[in-house]
Amino acid sequence: KAGVTQTPRYLIKTRGQQVTLSCSPISGHRSVSWYQQTPGQGLQFLFEYFSETQRNKGNFPGRFSGRQFSNSRSEMNVSTLELGDSALYLCASSHRPGGWDTQYFGPGTRLTVL
Amino acid sequence: DAKTTQPPSMDCAEGRAANLPCNHSTISGNEYVYWYRQIHSQGPQYIIHGLKNNETNEMASLIITEDRKSSTLILPHATLRDTAVYYCIVRVDVVLTGGGNKLTFGTGTQLKVEL
Repeated sequence: KAGVTQTPRYLIKTRGQQVTLSCSPISGHRSVSWYQQTPGQGLQFLFEYFSETQRNKGNFPGRFSGRQFSNSRSEMNVSTLELGDSALYLCASSHRPGGWDTQYFGPGTRLTVL
Repeated sequence: DAKTTQPPSMDCAEGRAANLPCNHSTISGNEYVYWYRQIHSQGPQYIIHGLKNNETNEMASLIITEDRKSSTLILPHATLRDTAVYYCIVRVDVVLTGGGNKLTFGTGTQLKVEL
């Protein structure tokens, strides 16, 4: 069974631009969560989607948004990029919300904002 | 969710047991202790979790003190491939509470396994 895939793996943008990251969960998984990882802050929760609905949201500004499609694939969007948005963005999938002992992470998208 | 405290780094010789401590003195009765690890350039990987009793699986053992204010993750025979950042997380069983998949990671312990 294929794991969680994320595209692109690496991305370089400039301040003020916007970016869209994609996540394809493991087949059959309907819950997708997004995390931001930076050297100083560690992993921080962004939001979670289940059945195309946002179920949970972390403490990030409105510039960070996401959505989930009927096939469970998810995208997150960051608008008006800032230097501080440079990070590794991780996506995780599981069968159901709250099933986080069986939450599988993708390899991440490394975003660099110049 | 309760806050956890872990040492920033530890070293371990290959083949020896690696014992990674975690303090969670503010843990409440319905909070579980979870451990994840992240190998460089990969996403976090679930290792083990427990509530009160000690737990063991094919990857590791989890020892939780009787007062539940601290725990230790034990890798019985560490290998070079166990070099990673290990995260201790404390939280409520979201399946029972109907909550979502929000995980709060700290800065973890960088375990370095050497020959």
